[in-house]
Amino acid sequence: DTGVSQDPRHKITKRGQNVTFRCDPISEHNRLYWYRQTLGQGPEFLTYFQNEAQLEKSRLLSDRFSAERPKGSFSTLEIQRTEQGDSAMYLCASSGRTGGTEAFFGQGTRLTVV
Amino acid sequence: AQKITQTQPGMFVQEKEAVTLDCTYDTSDPSYGLFWYKQPSSGEMIFLIYQGSYDQQNATEGRYSLNFQKARKSANLVISASQLGDSAMYFCAMREIGNEKLTFGTGTRLTIIP
Repeated sequence: DTGVSQDPRHKITKRGQNVTFRCDPISEHNRLYWYRQTLGQGPEFLTYFQNEAQLEKSRLLSDRFSAERPKGSFSTLEIQRTEQGDSAMYLCASSGRTGGTEAFFGQGTRLTVV
Repeated sequence: AQKITQTQPGMFVQEKEAVTLDCTYDTSDPSYGLFWYKQPSSGEMIFLIYQGSYDQQNATEGRYSLNFQKARKSANLVISASQLGDSAMYFCAMREIGNEKLTFGTGTRLTIIP
């Protein structure tokens, strides 16, 4: 069984361009999370899905950000009109139980906006 | 609001020695879980250990143990017999039960010296 997979691992884009990241959770996990981690900080929660339903969004998720999880499987995170402040590591995690223990993280997508 | 504080930005420890990484937390919710994650340079967040607020005993997982002092709101990670492969960033995190969001501290960079 593979862990959480994220693609791409690295993305360099010009300011103003749109980018999309993909996350494939552990297959039996119904919960999926997106976090953002900037340099020198811990991850910050962005959004959470239970199956295909997006149940919680952080105020960090501005109108330029959108996340989807069609059919409750993989998820995508899109950033429109990227800004330099969007440069960060975007981490995806999944878990299988409500109030359960650990969430399993992927290796992240490192975004650099130039 | 929940908050995690890690006051040690960096630590250097001799190989084979034990090391304690500090974590204090703040929450008004009586039901919560505390987590420790390891983040090597590859970026992936690796789950290490979990402690529930109602657990009577301190959690242990191999060389990792969690020194849980509820009255002091402290959840320190103890790594016994440190190894070179333990060099990484370590993050303490908390989740209030019923809330899917993990709140992370700023992390401690641990370096094991041969």
